[in-house]
Amino acid sequence: DIQMTQSPSSLSTSVGDRVTITCRASQDIRNDLVWYQQKPGKAPKRLMYAASSLLSGVPSRFSGSGSGTEFTLTISSLQPEDFATYYCLQHNSYPWTFGQGTKVEIK
Amino acid sequence: EVQLVESGGGLVQPGGSLRLSCAASGFTFSSYWMSWVRQAPGKGLEWVANIKLDGSDKYYVDSVKGRFTISRDNAKNSLYLQMNSLRAEDTAVYYCARIGGVAPAGRWYSWFDPWGQGTLVTVSS
Repeated sequence: DIQMTQSPSSLSTSVGDRVTITCRASQDIRNDLVWYQQKPGKAPKRLMYAASSLLSGVPSRFSGSGSGTEFTLTISSLQPEDFATYYCLQHNSYPWTFGQGTKVEIK
Repeated sequence: EVQLVESGGGLVQPGGSLRLSCAASGFTFSSYWMSWVRQAPGKGLEWVANIKLDGSDKYYVDSVKGRFTISRDNAKNSLYLQMNSLRAEDTAVYYCARIGGVAPAGRWYSWFDPWGQGTLVTVSS
């Protein structure tokens, strides 16, 4: 099974800051990676597919990069509505696996 | 409006069974792969199972193989998860999700969207 390791597991930051979250795969997954945002008590919301393609309706302050085993999600200028938990998901091979999540909190 | 609504969750004793349902509306259900994803209280997301358009292919996470069965009824626009031999570690909110995607240059990229609101399954004596 492919293990997805996210870092950091949590971070405290401020509105306007630049935030970078990393997801590492235990083997090459090409760019078969999706990023999700989840707020407490809500279902996750998709942000990005193919590691770097922004999905419809997602603000342009979100960007993604990477291929192979290392991927990043960057929020260029954090907004109040961005405080949430972020997950990566690989769909390169079964079983599909999520990273353990990165909680972005207000400093 | 595209919508997924789960039902069937509840409290069940270890070793018991439960059947979750997911009613789909607002899209052509038979044209999409579907999935179940779960989230234990205070924990991260875990993919559970996928099912192909016509139900002919199914995939499961190892921890539920042989105990859970994903199925669908395209005539009823419904997705199901039959859960047997339930364990305490199966306690979670269970989400159904549509698998969308695109295929630029012939390579398929998938994502879950939308998700249902989730239904809580608690396995406890």
